Amino acid sequence: DTEVTQTPKHLVMGMTNKKSLKCEQHMGHRAMYWYKQKAKKPPELMFVYSYEKLSINESVPSRFSPECPNSSLLNLHLHALQPEDSALYLCASSPGPPRLRNSPLHFGNGTRLTVT
Amino acid sequence: SQQGEEDPQALSIQEGENATMNCSYKTSINNLQWYRQNSGRGLVHLILIRSNEREKHSGRLRVTLDTSKKSSSLLITASRAADTASYFCATDATGGTSYGKLTFGQGTILTVHP
Repeated sequence: DTEVTQTPKHLVMGMTNKKSLKCEQHMGHRAMYWYKQKAKKPPELMFVYSYEKLSINESVPSRFSPECPNSSLLNLHLHALQPEDSALYLCASSPGPPRLRNSPLHFGNGTRLTVT
Repeated sequence: SQQGEEDPQALSIQEGENATMNCSYKTSINNLQWYRQNSGRGLVHLILIRSNEREKHSGRLRVTLDTSKKSSSLLITASRAADTASYFCATDATGGTSYGKLTFGQGTILTVHP
């Protein structure tokens, strides 16, 4: 079992829907991440939050909107997605600065998203 | 573009044999990490080796790092069927703008037959 909890495990949505992915950790980590992983490919970084502030946005389309309400929670709001956005969305956390370097990531089990 | 390239892409062995996976990268790094991913699940951190380290052990795992060749290897000894998974290397590049950014290699799919 992982210490990073993601909900829902599976999500099917239409291209006009609005949905949200949720991620929660209680390890006191101050850095949280969203990764996207297509089948048989490595995870690709989307966003990094450090101390609840967005520190990295990897040129992700605006139909993906991240939110970090507090240090334990991370959301990813989805709107007007395309079928090619279907993927496994992984949340991760790490201790954060100044220990950000040389600290491993703790991943959740992901949300399997299908856009129809 | 992906920082790390791994080989082989797929590896099939018998239980009890050793498995070796290699990773190459392009830029200077602070550390290199190895992760395991079981099918449809999240990634699990296995081991982290810093740029000033050459070898590290953890249980049945042995990782080497050669910064002059920009390469690393992961050795799993006495493999078990439960080791069947995808294995990814990930690099933490130097440079302030990449702070907190891990870049993953393409991965090696390991299958261990009982």
